[in-house]
Amino acid sequence: KNEVEQSPQNLTAQEGEFITINCSYSVGISALHWLQQHPGGGIVSLFMLSSGKKKHGRLIATINIQEKHSSLHITASHPRDSAVYICAGTGNQFYFGTGTSLTVIP
Amino acid sequence: ETGVTQTPRHLVMGMTNKKSLKCEQHLGHNAMYWYKQSAKKPLELMFVYNFKEQTENNSVPSRFSPECPNSSHLFLHLHTLQPEDSALYLCASSQDRQTFHYGYTFGSGTRLTVV
Repeated sequence: KNEVEQSPQNLTAQEGEFITINCSYSVGISALHWLQQHPGGGIVSLFMLSSGKKKHGRLIATINIQEKHSSLHITASHPRDSAVYICAGTGNQFYFGTGTSLTVIP
Repeated sequence: ETGVTQTPRHLVMGMTNKKSLKCEQHLGHNAMYWYKQSAKKPLELMFVYNFKEQTENNSVPSRFSPECPNSSHLFLHLHTLQPEDSALYLCASSQDRQTFHYGYTFGSGTRLTVV
């Protein structure tokens, strides 16, 4: 079992829908990262958070330390949001989830 | 472009071939990393170089051989690979090993297919 689990693995949404991707972790971490990987392969950091909530444009990330759970929300989704979203925790090392593949249909 | 450039973007090689992957950054970073990303699996850290010295090798088979001639360049030399080595190989860099968690840049990867 992976130290970081994401759900769902795959997600298809209609443009404009509100999207939630969940991440649970079983190890002690100092921070939780959300990363975005486009079909070209490159990975971009979206958020790093250790408590509470962060917002950037239409993206919102939350973390509940006690429950060892984080969520990434996308409001008013758009086809350009189609990508793989990866959750990762940092403690002694980087613990990566397997990613959630999101497709937003026009 | 993110600041970390990987070449080639795609590579198909036979099991008896020898090839090299290249990674270059001009961000002034001192730590560079090789990751392997296989389908449906988490990213796996392969090698870490900090100030040109290899500091981590995560039990990677010897058919993968890294080289870091300077802080800006990182290579991954490949020889006698197996089909299961087919994956996306990602390079990343950070200011140094200790600050990776707070600031890192990934390249776009090399998609490797071993036939």
